[in-house]
Amino acid sequence: RKEVEQDPGPFNVPEGATVAFNCTYSNSASQSFFWYRQDCRKEPKLLMSVYSSGNEDGRFTAQLNRASQYISLLIRDSKLSDSATYLCVVNSGGYQKVTFGIGTKLQVIP
Amino acid sequence: DAGITQSPRHKVTETGTPVTLRCHQTENHRYMYWYRQDPGHGLRLIHYSYGVKDTDKGEVSDGYSVSRSKTEDFLLTLESATSSQTSVYFCAITETGRNTEAFFGQGTRLTVV
Repeated sequence: RKEVEQDPGPFNVPEGATVAFNCTYSNSASQSFFWYRQDCRKEPKLLMSVYSSGNEDGRFTAQLNRASQYISLLIRDSKLSDSATYLCVVNSGGYQKVTFGIGTKLQVIP
Repeated sequence: DAGITQSPRHKVTETGTPVTLRCHQTENHRYMYWYRQDPGHGLRLIHYSYGVKDTDKGEVSDGYSVSRSKTEDFLLTLESATSSQTSVYFCAITETGRNTEAFFGQGTRLTVV
């Protein structure tokens, strides 16, 4: 089993839709979690950290479920500009122990 | 945007030749990393550095070496390039080694023919 698993998609959704991605991780000792966004042929950039209590940033909501070992990202009212690949990132202790998922590709359609 | 630049941005090289990629930062961050990104794989850590002259291997270090003689520069060398090293290489920096945001360079597309 991979340390971090994501559905690569693509997820094709119409503008205005709500879309959710999940990411599962295998190491129960994992300590911190992030979602990064990567545009086509660009570098990854931090979208948001994921906290145990869940957190929201505008149209984006991230949640952590330690019991089931997954994190989720919810995007409401999708915009064309949300089209990108979303990388799940799990840290099990020190940055050398950071594992990136393969990413979930989102395409928002007019 | 964080001050991190990679050079070259694109390179085509022949099998068996040595190649050096450069990562330069202006943020004075202690930690620097080299990753490769390939279809079907997440970013995979090649080597990382936790200070000047302090480096260690990552998940996919075979065939690669690194050097860090100054805080701001982290070099990745492919000793003898192979076609399996065709990839997109990203440099990243973090202020600390734990639970902090990573800033990435724009990437280097390397093709080994």
